[in-house]
Amino acid sequence: EPEVTQTPSHQVTQMGQEVILRCVPISNHLYFYWYRQILGQKVEFLVSFYNNEISEKSEIFDDQFSVERPDGSNFTLKIRSTKLEDSAMYFCASRTGTGAYNEQFFGPGTRLTVL
Amino acid sequence: DAKTTQPPSMDCAEGRAANLPCNHSTISGNEYVYWYRQIHSQGPQYIIHGLKNNETNEMASLIITEDRKSSTLILPHATLRDTAVYYCIVRGPSGSRLTFGEGTQLTVNP
Repeated sequence: EPEVTQTPSHQVTQMGQEVILRCVPISNHLYFYWYRQILGQKVEFLVSFYNNEISEKSEIFDDQFSVERPDGSNFTLKIRSTKLEDSAMYFCASRTGTGAYNEQFFGPGTRLTVL
Repeated sequence: DAKTTQPPSMDCAEGRAANLPCNHSTISGNEYVYWYRQIHSQGPQYIIHGLKNNETNEMASLIITEDRKSSTLILPHATLRDTAVYYCIVRGPSGSRLTFGEGTQLTVNP
């Protein structure tokens, strides 16, 4: 069964450093998402991406964040200058087509630790 | 998207049915009810969705009341692997993001 994959599974970085989290969505999917979950808190939406542009973003997704689909398979989240409060699990998700009936498939997540 | 209310926690004996309630009294006519679950910090997993009719798949059944103001997710024969946080999410057809609440922590006991 096709699945969303994410790399790395765990990323440790120093505050102020740039990090890139990578995702490979399911191959025929058209909509891509990033969510994050700070330890012990709710899963929070960051951004959605369709047709090579951001279609929606939350207030969390400020200028420090960017997303890109550099080729036909990868979808990346870049954090330009990491802060301690960026430590969280980051989940990528994808879905196909349009309509409410298209569920989102989530990857296993990348645990980001900012020291 | 309409707000949902779920109990913070529930327990269920292994092999018994788990019935997880959700209130969504402000749901509008074109909004769907989705259920996802998250097993211990793994990525959320889609379970089922519905608009107004009851739905069943290989994982669960979804019962939506006639006025659509509440629903119940039923896991017919809960196993220890069903221990997870279950999220009820209401979303319109034009919406894209999923808004996760606190969910219900279901603990299946041996």
